[in-house]
Amino acid sequence: EAGVTQFPSHSVIEKGQTVTLRCDPISGHDNLYWYRRVMGKEIKFLLHFVKESKQDESGMPNNRFLAERTGGTYSTLKVQPAELEDSGVYFCASSQDLRVHEAFFGQGTRLTVV
Amino acid sequence: QKEVEQDPGPLSVPEGAIVSLNCTYSNSAFQYFMWYRQYSRKGPELLMYTYSSGNKEDGRFTAQVDKSSKYISLFIRDSQPSDSATYLCATHSGGYQKVTFGTGTKLQVIP
Repeated sequence: EAGVTQFPSHSVIEKGQTVTLRCDPISGHDNLYWYRRVMGKEIKFLLHFVKESKQDESGMPNNRFLAERTGGTYSTLKVQPAELEDSGVYFCASSQDLRVHEAFFGQGTRLTVV
Repeated sequence: QKEVEQDPGPLSVPEGAIVSLNCTYSNSAFQYFMWYRQYSRKGPELLMYTYSSGNKEDGRFTAQVDKSSKYISLFIRDSQPSDSATYLCATHSGGYQKVTFGTGTKLQVIP
């Protein structure tokens, strides 16, 4: 069974550009989560999808971040325009039901904004 | 004050040693307590979780939760070089509540 996969693994973009991160959850997992870790800090929650609906987006830093999950399958996280402080590692995780304590994580996308 | 506090280390131990990793938390509503292992350039991998207080054992790993003192621990027996990684504690209060992570402790097991 394939795990959670994220694309790209690494992205370097200039300030002001747009970047789109993609997450493919484990098949059948209705719950999908986005997290971010900036250097030296803890992993922080960004948002939670249940199927295609945003259950909780309280962790999204500002309106430059847009997450979508069309059809309840894969999800994208777009940053537009990117700022220097958006640099970090973005993780996606998925779980069956609400068992977030058993969620599986992807390998992460390392975003560097220069 | 952070909701979950974790000493970042690094912690360096000889092979075969018993390792103790710890976190404290401040929110009494937390019910689930998780430990993740993260190798360099990889995503967090769930080792085990505990619901409420008590102990849970899985092979060489034992997780403990003391809700009275808001203290969570992970013990690794007979540590191996392959255990060298960053260990993250995390908590949540169930349902739709978000997961809160500690900063992680970097462990190195020296052969």
